Amino acid sequence: DAKTTQPNSMESNEEEPVHLPCNHSTISGTDYIHWYRQLPSQGPEYVIHGLTSNVNNRMASLAIAEDRKSSTLILHRATLRDAAVYYCILRDVQGGSEKLVFGKGTKLTVNP
Amino acid sequence: DTGVSQNPRHKITKRGQNVTFRCDPISEHNRLYWYRQTLGQGPEFLTYFQNEAQLEKSRLLSDRFSAERPKGSFSTLEIQRTEQGDSAMYLCASSLDPGPNEKLFFGSGTQLSVL
Repeated sequence: DAKTTQPNSMESNEEEPVHLPCNHSTISGTDYIHWYRQLPSQGPEYVIHGLTSNVNNRMASLAIAEDRKSSTLILHRATLRDAAVYYCILRDVQGGSEKLVFGKGTKLTVNP
Repeated sequence: DTGVSQNPRHKITKRGQNVTFRCDPISEHNRLYWYRQTLGQGPEFLTYFQNEAQLEKSRLLSDRFSAERPKGSFSTLEIQRTEQGDSAMYLCASSLDPGPNEKLFFGSGTQLSVL
């Protein structure tokens, strides 16, 4: 499985934008970039995913570098409820194994 | 949509005992995954089902672990002869459409403590 690298932790202030980086220099052409987050005492929840183009949904935006070797999850206005561990995952459904492989993620702290 | 339901939420057992967890996926979701998570780590894949067929098992999964999904609905995960190292959060997830756009929906997990 292609690997991702994320900072262990980040801090943000409430109502400010947050940019969570992810490096994936060994990404292949068929890897999709998925983001999940895990709030305290809960299972992970889907946030967003993309292949090449930037993506937006009600939760966040995903900015993908032109060479696809990195991506950034953008929370436009952080709230206290956004405090969670954010996981960046590469998913290659052509590789024969369709499971999601989680790393340690980035723990986001949101200060009031 | 009631979400993925896992029972029990917490389980305390003594070393050597057998335990069984249950997962009820979202209705009509044909994929079901089991993960395990220890403190400070991301979830670790254990196994997954497509309907009632178990398609993949982690090489890290010992023979003491077995999972079933009879009739392609709910699933059970059994751990025999539990060890202290089995203490973890066991997470279940389900999805509707496999493929690159697949979205997994996770339950809140079963926290296992082996004394």
